[in-house]
Amino acid sequence: DGGITQSPKYLFRKEGQNVTLSCEQNLNHDAMYWYRQDPGQGLRLIYYSQIVNDFQKGDIAEGYSVSREKKESFPLTVTSAQKNPTAFYLCASSPLGLAGGRAYEQYFGPGTRLTVT
Amino acid sequence: GEDVEQSLFLSVREGDSSVINCTYTDSSSTYLYWYKQEPGAGLQLLTYIFSNMDMKQDQRLTVLLNKKDKHLSLRIADTQTGDSAIYFCAEDNNAGNMLTFGGGTRLMVKP
Repeated sequence: DGGITQSPKYLFRKEGQNVTLSCEQNLNHDAMYWYRQDPGQGLRLIYYSQIVNDFQKGDIAEGYSVSREKKESFPLTVTSAQKNPTAFYLCASSPLGLAGGRAYEQYFGPGTRLTVT
Repeated sequence: GEDVEQSLFLSVREGDSSVINCTYTDSSSTYLYWYKQEPGAGLQLLTYIFSNMDMKQDQRLTVLLNKKDKHLSLRIADTQTGDSAIYFCAEDNNAGNMLTFGGGTRLMVKP
């Protein structure tokens, strides 16, 4: 089955520790995205990547880092510099990278709920 | 800048129609989208509409677009309890490679 996987579903960390969230896709999509969702709020873009070895900051990149060494994988590290890291993190991918001209469909993973105490 | 707004909450009775509304600001969007999020899950693309269209129907879903007023709506006919979820509208940017999401409307369907 093709799709996007995020692991783990729930993650608990102590304050001051870095933590890495996994996102893998086997859809052969060029573009991948990380969003943060807080209770009762919409999605805010953290980072995105349209091609391997390249990524761009989104609206709330401070305190986060990413890498895109493989097309299938886009891990997100929540660093100790992120002031309020507890949230639901969603990864998405899209067949559109630098090309355009069609409806832009993002496919989402099931999410990782991170709790930092 | 881009801004997408939705009302926070909608409650309907099972069997009634639901209408979820959205306003957006970026007139250069090529497509507008509706996503559904069930509790504790990711977002699922429901439907989308090309910006030059006024209406799109897909089974129980009807999307209406008023481009002049930058108003998008999603109508769900014969709403079922399984339709209870958060619904997000989204617009793409003029390059067609980014989405801006609204804050989501929580739909509650009462039996």
